[in-house]
Amino acid sequence: EAQVTQNPRYLITVTGKKLTVTCSQNMNHEYMSWYRQDPGLGLRQIYYSMNVEVTDKGDVPEGYKVSRKEKRNFPLILESPSPNQTSLYFCASSLSDTRDNEQFFGPGTRLTVL
Amino acid sequence: AQKVTQAQTEISVVEKEDVTLDCVYETRDTTYYLFWYKQPPSGELVFLIRRNSFDEQNEISGRYSWNFQKSTSSFNFTITASQVVDSAVYFCALSKDQAGTALIFGKGTTLSVSS
Repeated sequence: EAQVTQNPRYLITVTGKKLTVTCSQNMNHEYMSWYRQDPGLGLRQIYYSMNVEVTDKGDVPEGYKVSRKEKRNFPLILESPSPNQTSLYFCASSLSDTRDNEQFFGPGTRLTVL
Repeated sequence: AQKVTQAQTEISVVEKEDVTLDCVYETRDTTYYLFWYKQPPSGELVFLIRRNSFDEQNEISGRYSWNFQKSTSSFNFTITASQVVDSAVYFCALSKDQAGTALIFGKGTTLSVSS
């Protein structure tokens, strides 16, 4: 089954404790990205990657890092989480610039930073 | 700058009522793509439709219909004969490409359908 998976789905952590949210897709998609969803703000893009070893900042990249060492994986790294990073995070992937293609979203990761 | 505005924060209707969710967008691009996503209470994002800027034909899919008007920069979504299962948050989004990379989302409209 074609899908985007995220782990963990739920995470409660404390300020300053490094964490990684994994994202993996099995569709051989070039493009992957991370969004965060906050009440009243909708979804905002954090980082995106057009292909392996190619990453770039989205609208709200501060406090986050990403890497794209393999095509299927695009982990989101919070080196020193803070309470304002408490949010619902979505990973997404798609074939780049292909007609009738859609962006597939993962199930979401709900992160709470105390 | 690109922007998507969903002015309706919350809408409540009774089953079988028709409801329209408004979406107004801003972009300087001549080629762009508009999307609607549904987020049910379970939290996942469900793709509903994509429309490119050169296709102003209205789209109908079952009880769902979309009205795209470039003259007013709007891409409104109508649910006919609403059902309880339609209760969700609906997001309108804008992208420069058809794959929907770098989506600019509106803040969403929460639709509550009661029986």
